[in-house]
Amino acid sequence: EVQLVESGGGLVQPGRSLRLSCAASGFSFGNYAMHWVRQAPGKGLEWVSGISWNGDTTGYADSVKGRFTISRDNARNSLYVQMHGLRTEDTALYYCARVGTPGSYYKTPFDSWGQGTLVTVSS
Amino acid sequence: DIQMTQSPSSLSASVGDSVTITCRASQDISSYLAWFQQKPGKAPKSLIYAASSLQSGVPSKFSGSGSGTDFTLTISSLQPEDFATYYCQQYNSYPRTFGQGTKVEIK
Repeated sequence: EVQLVESGGGLVQPGRSLRLSCAASGFSFGNYAMHWVRQAPGKGLEWVSGISWNGDTTGYADSVKGRFTISRDNARNSLYVQMHGLRTEDTALYYCARVGTPGSYYKTPFDSWGQGTLVTVSS
Repeated sequence: DIQMTQSPSSLSASVGDSVTITCRASQDISSYLAWFQQKPGKAPKSLIYAASSLQSGVPSKFSGSGSGTDFTLTISSLQPEDFATYYCQQYNSYPRTFGQGTKVEIK
C-alpha cells in the first residue's frame, strides 16, 4: 500500500524558513515523480512544485518560485521542500502527491496523496 | 498558465440523484484532465485520470468525459459518502492548475 506521510509543518514568523518532508513507503519511491500541493484554509487546491524521479527536473508555481526548493533523497525514500522568505499567504496545508506512472514527469496524473502538514505563517 | 473553470461552484442534490459537474480549460489540454474528491478534513482522493479513466478502486458510479477544453464529471445515484468537494486539474502542462472546486451538498 502506498503511504505518504508529511511532516515539518508548524507556526513560523514571516520571513523565516521551514523545511517540509514527505516519507514514502509501499512502493519504489525512486521510480516516481513527486509533487507538493497546498490548500489555504477554506480555499481550493494549488500546485506548488514537482520533481522528476531522479531529481533532474523541477518545476514551481510562480507564487513560490525563487523562495521554495524541492528536492528528494531516493535512498531515504523522502521528498522535501525547503521554504524561505515565508509569507502570510503561504499559510496552508501542504500535501505531497505521487504520480501514477513511474518514470515520467510530464503528462502524468497524481494517484496518491498524503494527509498533509499544516504551515502557519504569522507574527 | 491554463485556467480551469468549474461550474457550478456548489450544488444541492438528494440521495439517489445523479449530478454533473463541468470543467472548462482556457486552452486545449487534450485528455490530460483529472478529477479529485475531497471530504472535509481529509486529503484529496484521485478519482479519474485521462478525462475518463477510473483510478483503481473507484466505483463505476463516477464517470468522466470530454477532451480539448470541455469536460464533465458525472456521479450517479448519489450516496451520503459522495457529498464532498470535487476538483478538476489539468496536467497537460506546467504549472498544473486546478479548478476552484464544486461542493456537492445534501438537499
